[in-house]
Amino acid sequence: EVVLVESGGGLVKPGGSLRLSCAASGFSFSRYNMNWVRQAPGKGLEWVASISSRSDYIYYADSVRGRFTISRDNGDNSLSLQLNSLRVDDTSVFYCARVRGECTGDCLGAFDVWGQGTLVAVSS
Amino acid sequence: IQVAQSPSSLSASVGDRVTITCQASQDIFNYLNWYQQKPGKAPKLLIYDASKLEAGVPSRFTGSRRGTEFTFTISSLEPEDVATYFCQQYHQFPYTFGQGTKLENK
Repeated sequence: EVVLVESGGGLVKPGGSLRLSCAASGFSFSRYNMNWVRQAPGKGLEWVASISSRSDYIYYADSVRGRFTISRDNGDNSLSLQLNSLRVDDTSVFYCARVRGECTGDCLGAFDVWGQGTLVAVSS
Repeated sequence: IQVAQSPSSLSASVGDRVTITCQASQDIFNYLNWYQQKPGKAPKLLIYDASKLEAGVPSRFTGSRRGTEFTFTISSLEPEDVATYFCQQYHQFPYTFGQGTKLENK
């Protein structure tokens, strides 16, 4: 079974840091581009960051560039998101999501597999 | 690229035909997907490439494109279809989502 499981969320003060992880299983993780998507409480979906299968292409939303860092470890089948300089408006459920179809380059596509999400709450 | 989704909410009865629209701010060809999200759950891919049905998704869900306007249709609403639906363009970064349509049972 293809599964993504996020972890690492929690309550943090403004200006603080957090590291999210996403454990992948049931598929050849190293062959797929991956993403982080977030959803503020009661709001819509916002794409956060993308990383290619070999980590050679990385993209960020303007709202997080310079504060968040996406990375992956293909040997460990894991995806990470380092969150620094957190703000109150970063409060969201963060999902990791797989791009449909194997890709070895700069590929965009539908997000066909999602994790269950992990909540990041930023509050003083 | 902006994707303007409408309506933001709608109420329908079991058996009704339901239509949701996304208007892209520029030509995105067929690079648009549709997702379903139920409360407290992750989104689920239903339609990709504007009109292709994801494996395991019931055939009552369809998608179409006319120029920069994309339409998502549920041919006959089932009780389990109550959810919020989002479109997403993937013609170029950044990926962008529509604002969502909350579908409720009348």
